[in-house]
Amino acid sequence: EDQVTQSPEALRLQEGESSSLNCSYTVSGLRGLFWYRQDPGKGPEFLFTLYSAGEEKEKERLKATLTKKESFLHITATKPEDSATYLCAVRGLIQGAQKLVFGQGTRLTINP
Amino acid sequence: KAGVTQTPRYLIKTRGQQVTLSCSPISGHRSVSWYQQTPGQGLQFLFEYFSETQRNKGNFPGRFSGRQFSNSRSEMNVSTLELGDSALYLCASSLGGYRDSMEKLFFGSGTQLSVL
Repeated sequence: EDQVTQSPEALRLQEGESSSLNCSYTVSGLRGLFWYRQDPGKGPEFLFTLYSAGEEKEKERLKATLTKKESFLHITATKPEDSATYLCAVRGLIQGAQKLVFGQGTRLTINP
Repeated sequence: KAGVTQTPRYLIKTRGQQVTLSCSPISGHRSVSWYQQTPGQGLQFLFEYFSETQRNKGNFPGRFSGRQFSNSRSEMNVSTLELGDSALYLCASSLGGYRDSMEKLFFGSGTQLSVL
């Protein structure tokens, strides 16, 4: 069963547009929700950690929010360099052990 | 400060062979974790090492094993390679305290393994 689901799978925007990426999760005892960015041929790069519902984190044109069942990564005034795959990961109690589970990612493409 | 270094960058092996991948964490990081990334399954956790001890393990067969040395460097071994083992293998390091475990991971660029 999927514990972390990201949507949409892929998103194409024009430069300057804004959008939100979704990460929904079903794990017990959430210990943290993480957002990473991955460029082609590279490993993921850490963006944010959120620990509790209602928490928000912001960095430049990115803002991450968390509810009890999902998280959103809001991207405003997009630029071509924002093109990447955005990964969500959840740390919680899964099958009796603390584990970190990644979603499949949202592939974001920004056209100039 | 140097980042996480993984070697080799690319590997081509044939079915039945075994392979060893290497990971050097960021200086001062004591936790190293390994992940397998494929287009179909995404990023999947293999195992985590802290102070030379395996602290956590994912749902992979025993053909996948790892170890960590006293300098925190880690190796991952896959024996009896199968076609389905073709993937990008990523190593990540973190400071490693309990609260830091699996948090704010710093990833290497990975080893792309192709099994023919």
